[in-house]
Amino acid sequence: DAMVIQNPRYQVTQFGKPVTLSCSQTLNHNVMYWYQQKSSQAPKLLFHYYDKDFNNEADTPDNFQSRRPNTSFCFLDIRSPGLGDAAMYLCATSTSLGVYGYTFGSGTRLTVV
Amino acid sequence: GESVGLHLPTLSVQEGDNSIINCAYSNSASDYFIWYKQESGKGPQFIIDIRSNMDKRQGQRVTVLLNKTVKHLSLQIAATQPGDSAVYFCAENGDSSYKLIFGSGTRLLVRP
Repeated sequence: DAMVIQNPRYQVTQFGKPVTLSCSQTLNHNVMYWYQQKSSQAPKLLFHYYDKDFNNEADTPDNFQSRRPNTSFCFLDIRSPGLGDAAMYLCATSTSLGVYGYTFGSGTRLTVV
Repeated sequence: GESVGLHLPTLSVQEGDNSIINCAYSNSASDYFIWYKQESGKGPQFIIDIRSNMDKRQGQRVTVLLNKTVKHLSLQIAATQPGDSAVYFCAENGDSSYKLIFGSGTRLLVRP
């Protein structure tokens, strides 16, 4: 089945140690998004790629970066994770129709120790 | 901005009753709205959507109502079942064609 796959489901990283989360899609969607969701809060958009064009949200900390080497993959890099970065990270995709075709992955739960 | 230590509002209903979950959206430019269901440890799951040229849309056991005058969205679930227990989020597109912005969620608990 075509889908959005996030790996790993659970990630533990040390305070200050760079970590990379992965998202892949078999939908051939143009747009890929990364959301951060802290406990009991709504998902918050960090950035998105439209094809190779990167679009950062104004309030996304510089500590968060993203790469999209090809249509299928998108990575979230946290350069120096702090305790406050512990959250669920959700990847989503959509077509060139934008919001009319959002598909979410199952998320990666990041713990910072 | 985000609120630290935010607790989700909770709606508790008896199994078989109807549930109504409300959402106040923020951007009058929004013309597309979605309701998502999120179970613990999982990603958001699409339930139903509505465009701003409509004020009501029905799905299977769910109905979404849109009141643009007061910027209010509601989700009605008929004959609520234990499997409906989850957190429900509304989302809007704001003034963008490509970004969904989520509202604060509501936790639905279904009592057997």
